[in-house]
Amino acid sequence: NAGVTQTPKFQVLKTGQSMTLQCAQDMNHEYMSWYRQDPGMGLRLIHYSVGAGITDQGEVPNGYNVSRSTTEDFPLRLLSAAPSQTSVYFCASSYHRTWGYTFGSGTRLTVV
Amino acid sequence: ELKVEQNPLFLSMQEGKNYTIYCNYSTTSDRLYWYRQDPGKSLESLFVLLSNGAVKQEGRLMASLDTKARLSTLHITAAVHDLSATYFCAVDRGNAGNMLTFGGGTRLMVKP
Repeated sequence: NAGVTQTPKFQVLKTGQSMTLQCAQDMNHEYMSWYRQDPGMGLRLIHYSVGAGITDQGEVPNGYNVSRSTTEDFPLRLLSAAPSQTSVYFCASSYHRTWGYTFGSGTRLTVV
Repeated sequence: ELKVEQNPLFLSMQEGKNYTIYCNYSTTSDRLYWYRQDPGKSLESLFVLLSNGAVKQEGRLMASLDTKARLSTLHITAAVHDLSATYFCAVDRGNAGNMLTFGGGTRLMVKP
C-alpha cells in the first residue's frame, strides 16, 4: 500500500497560471478531501468527495475545482493562480469517518 | 459555524513534566480527532474519539472527549524530547463525514 500519494511535492507558479495537484490513494477509500495549511494555522477544507462522481465545497473553495472520476484519484485544479493561494496543500482519505483520515505528504505551492 | 479553539498555542516544558492541551469546539459533534505534525511533514493520526466519555491512551499521550462540555483534552505524561511537535485537534462536522474543522494547533517544545 502506498497510502495517499500527492504530486508534485513542490511547485512555483506565476500569477494567472493554472495547474493541477494530483492525489491518489490505493486503499479503496470512498472519502477524499483537500485542505490547505497556511503558516502557523490549522488546516482548512477546500473541497471534499464522498465517492466517485460526488464532490462538494468546503470552507475555502473559491479559485479551486475538483472532480472525482474514479475512487482512487481526486485532483485539485487551480484555475488562475493568485499569491493568496501560496500554501501547503494536503489531500486526505478515509474508509469511514470512524476510522480517521490518512493524509498525503503535501504539496508546497508558491505563487509569485 | 463550527469553531475549534486550542490552548495553549505554544507550550514549552521540561522533560519529565505533565501537561494538558485543551480543545474546545462550538457546535455539537461526537467525532473528534487528534493529529501530530512534525515540522515540514504531514499529519499523523494519534486518536479518534467517537463518543462522550471516550478515553484513549498511547504511550505518554492520553486523549479524552466530553461532548456535553464540547471539550477534548490531550494529556502528556512525563514528557520526552521526542514529543516535540505541533498537535492539532479536529472536529468532524459533516453528516457524510469527511469535513474536518481544525483547531489552530499547539506547538509543543520539550526541553531536555
